[in-house]
Amino acid sequence: RKEVEQDPGPFNVPEGATVAFNCTYSNSASQSFFWYRQDCRKEPKLLMSVYSSGNEDGRFTAQLNRASQYISLLIRDSKLSDSATYLCVVNQYQGAQKLVFGQGTRLTINP
Amino acid sequence: NAGVTQTPKFQVLKTGQSMTLQCAQDMNHNSMYWYRQDPGMGLRLIYYSASEGTTDKGEVPNGYNVSRLNKREFSLRLESAAPSQTSVYFCASSEVRGEKLFFGSGTQLSVL
Repeated sequence: RKEVEQDPGPFNVPEGATVAFNCTYSNSASQSFFWYRQDCRKEPKLLMSVYSSGNEDGRFTAQLNRASQYISLLIRDSKLSDSATYLCVVNQYQGAQKLVFGQGTRLTINP
Repeated sequence: NAGVTQTPKFQVLKTGQSMTLQCAQDMNHNSMYWYRQDPGMGLRLIYYSASEGTTDKGEVPNGYNVSRLNKREFSLRLESAAPSQTSVYFCASSEVRGEKLFFGSGTQLSVL
Protein backbone atom coordinates (compact mmCIF):
# COMPACT_ATOMS: atom_id res chain seq x y z
CA ARG A 1 0.00 0.00 0.00
CA LYS A 2 1.30 3.43 -0.92
CA GLU A 3 2.04 5.78 1.95
CA VAL A 4 -0.19 8.45 0.43
CA GLU A 5 -2.83 7.56 -2.14
CA GLN A 6 -4.93 9.73 -4.38
CA ASP A 7 -7.31 8.96 -7.20
CA PRO A 8 -5.35 10.27 -10.19
CA GLY A 9 -8.54 11.17 -12.07
CA PRO A 10 -8.98 12.96 -14.35
CA PHE A 11 -12.03 14.60 -12.88
CA ASN A 12 -13.97 16.57 -15.50
CA VAL A 13 -16.65 18.81 -14.05
CA PRO A 14 -18.68 21.73 -15.40
CA GLU A 15 -17.98 25.25 -14.29
CA GLY A 16 -19.92 26.12 -11.16
CA ALA A 17 -20.08 22.57 -9.88
CA THR A 18 -18.84 21.35 -6.53
CA VAL A 19 -16.09 18.77 -6.61
CA ALA A 20 -14.41 16.84 -3.84
CA PHE A 21 -11.54 14.44 -3.66
CA ASN A 22 -9.92 12.46 -0.93
CA CYS A 23 -6.43 11.37 -0.05
CA THR A 24 -5.65 8.44 2.23
CA TYR A 25 -2.46 7.94 4.22
CA SER A 26 -1.07 4.83 5.81
CA ASN A 27 1.01 6.14 8.71
CA SER A 28 -1.15 6.85 11.74
CA ALA A 29 1.70 8.90 13.24
CA SER A 30 1.38 11.50 10.49
CA GLN A 31 1.48 14.93 11.99
CA SER A 32 0.50 17.55 9.45
CA PHE A 33 -1.22 17.65 6.12
CA PHE A 34 -1.29 19.92 3.12
CA TRP A 35 -2.89 20.41 -0.28
CA TYR A 36 -0.71 21.78 -3.04
CA ARG A 37 -1.82 22.88 -6.47
CA GLN A 38 0.28 22.24 -9.56
CA ASP A 39 -0.51 23.76 -12.93
CA CYS A 40 0.66 22.03 -16.07
CA ARG A 41 4.45 22.27 -16.43
CA LYS A 42 4.72 24.47 -13.34
CA GLU A 43 5.95 24.03 -9.80
CA PRO A 44 3.65 22.97 -6.96
CA LYS A 45 2.33 25.77 -4.78
CA LEU A 46 0.75 25.48 -1.36
CA LEU A 47 -3.03 25.73 -1.57
CA MET A 48 -3.81 25.19 2.09
CA SER A 49 -2.75 23.41 5.22
CA VAL A 50 -5.24 20.97 6.73
CA TYR A 51 -6.03 21.39 10.41
CA SER A 52 -7.67 18.89 12.74
CA SER A 53 -10.74 21.08 13.05
CA GLY A 54 -11.02 21.52 9.30
CA ASN A 55 -10.45 24.81 7.56
CA GLU A 56 -11.94 26.93 4.84
CA ASP A 57 -10.39 29.42 2.47
CA GLY A 58 -12.96 31.03 0.23
CA ARG A 59 -14.38 28.34 -2.04
CA PHE A 60 -11.98 25.70 -0.72
CA THR A 61 -12.59 23.51 2.33
CA ALA A 62 -10.11 20.98 3.68
CA GLN A 63 -10.94 18.35 6.27
CA LEU A 64 -8.98 15.74 8.19
CA ASN A 65 -10.34 12.44 9.43
CA ARG A 66 -7.67 10.88 11.63
CA ALA A 67 -9.76 7.84 12.54
CA SER A 68 -10.10 6.80 8.90
CA GLN A 69 -6.76 8.33 7.91
CA TYR A 70 -7.83 10.54 5.07
CA ILE A 71 -7.95 14.19 4.16
CA SER A 72 -10.34 15.79 1.74
CA LEU A 73 -10.54 18.87 -0.43
CA LEU A 74 -13.85 20.40 -1.47
CA ILE A 75 -14.07 23.07 -4.14
CA ARG A 76 -17.37 24.94 -4.42
CA ASP A 77 -18.56 27.01 -7.38
CA SER A 78 -15.63 25.77 -9.45
CA LYS A 79 -13.94 28.14 -11.89
CA LEU A 80 -12.09 27.42 -15.11
CA SER A 81 -8.94 28.61 -13.32
CA ASP A 82 -9.29 25.77 -10.81
CA SER A 83 -8.15 23.33 -13.50
CA ALA A 84 -4.90 21.88 -12.17
CA THR A 85 -3.44 18.85 -10.42
CA TYR A 86 -4.00 18.77 -6.68
CA LEU A 87 -1.29 17.13 -4.61
CA CYS A 88 -1.90 15.72 -1.17
CA VAL A 89 1.13 15.96 1.12
CA VAL A 90 1.52 14.26 4.48
CA ASN A 91 4.19 15.02 7.06
CA GLN A 92 5.19 11.78 8.73
CA TYR A 93 7.54 11.57 11.65
CA GLN A 94 9.93 8.64 11.15
CA GLY A 95 12.92 9.62 13.22
CA ALA A 96 12.80 12.90 11.35
CA GLN A 97 10.15 14.92 9.61
CA LYS A 98 9.33 13.41 6.24
CA LEU A 99 7.00 14.89 3.66
CA VAL A 100 5.32 12.30 1.45
CA PHE A 101 3.54 13.37 -1.72
CA GLY A 102 0.57 11.71 -3.34
CA GLN A 103 0.70 11.33 -7.11
CA GLY A 104 -1.92 14.02 -7.52
CA THR A 105 -5.50 14.29 -8.74
CA ARG A 106 -6.01 15.97 -12.08
CA LEU A 107 -9.01 18.27 -12.28
CA THR A 108 -10.40 19.90 -15.41
CA ILE A 109 -13.20 22.44 -15.18
CA ASN A 110 -15.21 22.65 -18.41
CA PRO A 111 -17.10 25.74 -19.62
CA ASN B 1 11.48 38.84 -3.95
CA ALA B 2 12.58 36.00 -6.25
CA GLY B 3 11.89 33.11 -3.84
CA VAL B 4 13.57 29.95 -5.17
CA THR B 5 15.56 30.30 -8.37
CA GLN B 6 16.52 27.16 -10.24
CA THR B 7 18.63 26.77 -13.38
CA PRO B 8 18.62 25.57 -16.09
CA LYS B 9 14.95 25.20 -17.11
CA PHE B 10 15.68 22.59 -19.76
CA GLN B 11 18.62 20.31 -20.42
CA VAL B 12 19.35 17.45 -22.78
CA LEU B 13 22.26 15.16 -21.95
CA LYS B 14 23.79 12.12 -23.51
CA THR B 15 24.27 9.04 -21.38
CA GLY B 16 27.44 9.40 -19.33
CA GLN B 17 27.58 13.18 -19.40
CA SER B 18 27.64 15.17 -16.19
CA MET B 19 25.86 18.33 -15.16
CA THR B 20 24.97 20.42 -12.12
CA LEU B 21 21.56 21.88 -11.37
CA GLN B 22 21.75 25.12 -9.44
CA CYS B 23 19.31 26.34 -6.83
CA ALA B 24 19.26 29.47 -4.69
CA GLN B 25 16.70 30.89 -2.28
CA ASP B 26 16.48 34.37 -0.84
CA MET B 27 14.02 33.68 2.00
CA ASN B 28 16.68 32.85 4.61
CA HIS B 29 15.32 29.32 4.89
CA ASN B 30 17.29 26.66 6.72
CA SER B 31 15.96 23.60 4.88
CA MET B 32 16.49 22.92 1.21
CA TYR B 33 15.47 19.94 -0.92
CA TRP B 34 15.84 18.34 -4.30
CA TYR B 35 12.89 16.37 -5.68
CA ARG B 36 12.22 14.55 -8.89
CA GLN B 37 8.79 14.17 -10.43
CA ASP B 38 7.92 11.36 -12.82
CA PRO B 39 4.58 10.63 -14.53
CA GLY B 40 2.19 8.67 -12.32
CA MET B 41 4.35 9.15 -9.24
CA GLY B 42 4.42 11.71 -6.49
CA LEU B 43 7.40 13.93 -5.98
CA ARG B 44 10.25 11.88 -4.56
CA LEU B 45 12.96 13.33 -2.37
CA ILE B 46 16.49 12.94 -3.69
CA TYR B 47 18.44 14.84 -1.06
CA TYR B 48 17.74 17.15 1.80
CA SER B 49 19.82 19.75 3.63
CA ALA B 50 18.92 21.03 7.08
CA SER B 51 21.61 23.68 7.13
CA GLU B 52 24.83 24.80 5.50
CA GLY B 53 27.29 21.95 5.35
CA THR B 54 24.81 19.18 6.13
CA THR B 55 23.06 16.90 3.66
CA ASP B 56 20.98 13.74 4.01
CA LYS B 57 19.86 11.15 1.50
CA GLY B 58 16.25 11.02 0.61
CA GLU B 59 14.21 8.31 -1.03
CA VAL B 60 16.08 8.12 -4.37
CA PRO B 61 19.69 9.37 -3.92
CA ASN B 62 21.53 6.91 -6.17
CA GLY B 63 23.33 8.58 -9.07
CA TYR B 64 23.22 12.05 -7.50
CA ASN B 65 25.42 14.20 -5.32
CA VAL B 66 24.58 17.48 -3.64
CA SER B 67 26.39 20.42 -2.16
CA ARG B 68 25.04 22.99 0.29
CA LEU B 69 27.46 25.77 -0.55
CA ASN B 70 25.97 28.25 1.91
CA LYS B 71 22.59 28.99 3.39
CA ARG B 72 21.26 30.25 0.06
CA GLU B 73 22.52 27.67 -2.42
CA PHE B 74 21.96 23.94 -2.85
CA SER B 75 23.21 22.24 -6.00
CA LEU B 76 22.47 18.81 -7.44
CA ARG B 77 25.06 17.02 -9.55
CA LEU B 78 24.66 14.10 -11.93
CA GLU B 79 28.13 12.64 -12.39
CA SER B 80 27.26 10.17 -15.14
CA ALA B 81 23.75 10.69 -16.45
CA ALA B 82 21.56 7.69 -17.24
CA PRO B 83 18.25 7.52 -19.16
CA SER B 84 16.52 6.60 -15.87
CA GLN B 85 17.34 10.10 -14.65
CA THR B 86 15.11 11.67 -17.29
CA SER B 87 12.66 13.57 -15.13
CA VAL B 88 11.52 16.96 -13.93
CA TYR B 89 13.61 18.19 -11.03
CA PHE B 90 12.42 20.65 -8.43
CA CYS B 91 14.40 22.45 -5.81
CA ALA B 92 12.50 23.61 -2.74
CA SER B 93 13.09 25.33 0.55
CA SER B 94 11.29 25.70 3.85
CA GLU B 95 11.89 27.49 7.10
CA VAL B 96 11.90 24.19 8.96
CA ARG B 97 11.69 20.63 7.74
CA GLY B 98 8.20 19.31 7.30
CA GLU B 99 6.51 22.64 6.84
CA LYS B 100 5.42 24.76 3.91
CA LEU B 101 7.60 24.22 0.86
CA PHE B 102 8.49 26.87 -1.69
CA PHE B 103 9.48 25.39 -5.03
CA GLY B 104 11.65 26.56 -7.86
CA SER B 105 10.19 26.51 -11.37
CA GLY B 106 11.72 23.14 -12.23
CA THR B 107 14.27 21.67 -14.63
CA GLN B 108 13.13 19.35 -17.38
CA LEU B 109 16.01 16.94 -17.97
CA SER B 110 16.21 14.42 -20.77
CA VAL B 111 19.00 11.87 -20.92
CA LEU B 112 19.36 10.18 -24.29
